[in-house]
Amino acid sequence: AQRVTQPEKLLSVFKGAPVELKCNYSYSGSPELFWYVQYSRQRLQLLLRHISRESIKGFTADLNKGETSFHLKKPFAQEEDSAMYYCALSPLSGSARQLTFGSGTQLTVLP
Amino acid sequence: GVTQSPTHLIKTRGQQVTLRCSSQSGHNTVSWYQQALGQGPQFIFQYYREEENGRGNFPPRFSGLQFPNDSSELNVNALELDDSALYLCASSPEEGRGLSYEQFFGPGTRLTVL
Repeated sequence: AQRVTQPEKLLSVFKGAPVELKCNYSYSGSPELFWYVQYSRQRLQLLLRHISRESIKGFTADLNKGETSFHLKKPFAQEEDSAMYYCALSPLSGSARQLTFGSGTQLTVLP
Repeated sequence: GVTQSPTHLIKTRGQQVTLRCSSQSGHNTVSWYQQALGQGPQFIFQYYREEENGRGNFPPRFSGLQFPNDSSELNVNALELDDSALYLCASSPEEGRGLSYEQFFGPGTRLTVL
């Protein structure tokens, strides 16, 4: 069975401080890991994926297969980063690449 | 983009409900998710070219249809109180694999079962 765990439901940091949102997963095969974000009154949207190794809006995430983690990091948080963040995984291949989501972390960046 | 209707819906226990989704242009795979309050979305099933392509841990009273024009429906029979949730549909292009694979989400339909 596949599972995604986000241990923090709420996280508050001050503007300019570093932020790290934790994500751990369990999956028997080769997963692809994602971070999705939902800003207030907007739909769920993809932020980044491990396979592309990009930095999006200053956020990065590294897949650590040994620790089965995919933590999201940003060195200097901005107020516009306040949102709900979901970590998700899907099979790397196959026909039905459904997403398994964690329960989400609500990030608040304080002025 | 992906659109869903209606935005909100109120039903009573035991009734049946149909939720609708229109995929993004050019996409022929649609997935449905249930998001209970305070939880992440949970996969219900996926349709590809009008056939069910994968299913999560949901009972048979959750069923779906996908039409040739890339619209789709989620049907839920014999509604239970626990079915109250936000229902999301997401579309993706057939050819999306690896670096380009992405699911594009709609705004959701909020279902309340009384």
